[in-house]
Amino acid sequence: QQQVKQSPQSLIVQKGGISIINCAYENTAFDYFPWYQQFPGKGPALLIAIRPDVSEKKEGRFTISFNKSAKQFSLHIMDSQPGDSATYFCAASNIDDMRFGAGTRLTVKP
Amino acid sequence: IAGITQAPTSQILAAGRRMTLRCTQDMRHNAMYWYRQDLGLGLRLIHYSNTAGTTGKGEVPDGYSVSRANTDDFPLTLASAVPSQTSVYFCASSPEGGNYGYTFGSGTRLTVV
Repeated sequence: QQQVKQSPQSLIVQKGGISIINCAYENTAFDYFPWYQQFPGKGPALLIAIRPDVSEKKEGRFTISFNKSAKQFSLHIMDSQPGDSATYFCAASNIDDMRFGAGTRLTVKP
Repeated sequence: IAGITQAPTSQILAAGRRMTLRCTQDMRHNAMYWYRQDLGLGLRLIHYSNTAGTTGKGEVPDGYSVSRANTDDFPLTLASAVPSQTSVYFCASSPEGGNYGYTFGSGTRLTVV
């Protein structure tokens, strides 16, 4: 069964807008929640990650919001740029297991 | 440059043939993983190794085998390839399992005909 559900599948945003991608997980044993960015022809690269002891983490234009009680977390990309166009994967993990969402293809239009 | 090297970059393989995808890391990470990426399905774990000398099965292990003779190398073997194994294969590593971010290789695009 799909342990991490990611939405939307695709997203189109204008330059300067806010991109929001959502994920929900099932296993309460997960305690590490990374986001990966993947450009065409490349492997996924770690973008930002959060642990459940905080509700928000910000790195530059990228912010993770985390709701432990709802078992949901989201990625916000502020001031989205055409160079942010990529596929984004959320994941949920513990020491023994990491599960990925199905991915969101983000297109930022100039 | 520290990271993961995968080979080959791409391959077209006849069904029934045996194929080994190579993966080497130079970061001295203990844990290594093989994923396949298919459109709409995200990344699915094939096999993993928490440390040299040990391996385990992931979500989709059938038709694949791995070995971990040392820390750096983690080859993936398709004993007898089938068309459903057409996919992009990524090798990844982590210092100590899923509590750390993974470093991924650039992938191997495999087409089984």
